[in-house]
Amino acid sequence: QSALTQPASVSGSPGQSITISCTGTSSDVGDYNYVSWYQQHPGKAPKVMIYDVTKRPSGVSTRFSGSKSGNTASLTISGLQAEDEAHYYCSSYTSSFTLVFGGGTKLTVL
Amino acid sequence: QVQLVQSGAEVKKPGASVKVSCKASGYIFTNYGITWVRQAPGQGLEWMGWISASNGDTSFAQKLQGRVTMTTDTSTSTAYMELKSLRSDDTAVYFCARARPTTPTLFVYWGQGTLVTVSS
Repeated sequence: QSALTQPASVSGSPGQSITISCTGTSSDVGDYNYVSWYQQHPGKAPKVMIYDVTKRPSGVSTRFSGSKSGNTASLTISGLQAEDEAHYYCSSYTSSFTLVFGGGTKLTVL
Repeated sequence: QVQLVQSGAEVKKPGASVKVSCKASGYIFTNYGITWVRQAPGQGLEWMGWISASNGDTSFAQKLQGRVTMTTDTSTSTAYMELKSLRSDDTAVYFCARARPTTPTLFVYWGQGTLVTVSS
């Protein structure tokens, strides 16, 4: 199972919006609504920001939103804040009853 | 509150095995699954596998099939991950996380991570 494809890095200024893409195949992202997005700060465990494509866990800011079209899922962060600077990973359930992560995207807040 | 507490750091020689534990509290252990994720130094997240705490069903990443074993002890609400025939590229921080009971998805609660170093 190949990793999902994410851009290595994205950047934005405070207050702006950014979108991170996550491209898979018809055997994972395209076939299941089990896409999640995780935020990871250095030295910390990942934190789920979006699950089941569009759902936000309790306590996660409404500035984070998710969507999916075909084999590509996206995470949008609006009103960028300095604390959003982190690595972001997407994940998807697969037809093999496994899970696959994306390679990760480093978000820099300028 | 939900907590997952992992065992401490390990240093192993190539070819050896390591067994990491993950003790759960604050929820009904058998109502969920446990997944294991590792992260090599400076690298991304790698999903290793999942086990149902209710019936022991498992699913593993293809590249680790045959080298990884996952078990649970429902009497102590503890999950275990054993990795055999260790290589230098198994050096990583190993995380456990609570998962859904029937699919390896939705990891809200995570352990603190266990550093496993493989070195001769």
